[in-house]
Amino acid sequence: AQSVSQHNHHVILSEAASLELGCNYSYGGTVNLFWYVQYPGQHLQLLLKYFSGDPLVKGIKGFEAEFIKSKFSFNLRKPSVQWSDTAEYFCAVKKGAGSYQLTFGKGTKLSVIP
Amino acid sequence: DAGITQSPRHKVTETGTPVTLRCHQTENHRYMYWYRQDPGHGLRLIHYSYGVKDTDKGEVSDGYSVSRSKTEDFLLTLESATSSQTSVYFCAIKKGLDTEAFFGQGTRLTVV
Repeated sequence: AQSVSQHNHHVILSEAASLELGCNYSYGGTVNLFWYVQYPGQHLQLLLKYFSGDPLVKGIKGFEAEFIKSKFSFNLRKPSVQWSDTAEYFCAVKKGAGSYQLTFGKGTKLSVIP
Repeated sequence: DAGITQSPRHKVTETGTPVTLRCHQTENHRYMYWYRQDPGHGLRLIHYSYGVKDTDKGEVSDGYSVSRSKTEDFLLTLESATSSQTSVYFCAIKKGLDTEAFFGQGTRLTVV
């Protein structure tokens, strides 16, 4: 079965620090990749997505992610975090054509200290 | 927001009672999903639908059933609620297979 691994359960950073959250998946074929963010008490919102093309994807709020096929990874980055980035971040993977299912990682909670 | 309404938003029910959660969309999207979110587990797929009356099981479908009699509504039923089904339930919709999912606001269900 396909799995998605997010290695960090909880990350604590000071404002202006750089962020990198890891995501690895187990499926070897074509995949669609997503990062979602969940602010406290809210629903999931899409940060960015990768379907094909340039493996460096830019999303909203200054986030970006890089797809490295050889490493089965899709890590999320932000050069300088803000207190308002405090949230839980979920990586999600869907197999390529024909698959209905979107599989989520367990999430990484980010706490940004002012 | 993507025109998804979940109801109720909060519910407390007793063990053994049936419970139905509703997801309503105004986007006319084909694909609809029910997930549950639990600490340490992320989101896990319960059931999904790929069209009216077309549904299939996800990874944690035991104890749940779904129905989709029209495009806009996807119902999740807990036949006989158990404490292990205490969770936050999210509905999601997708326009196509290779598009992103949009999520509803969630339903917090407590089974006592």
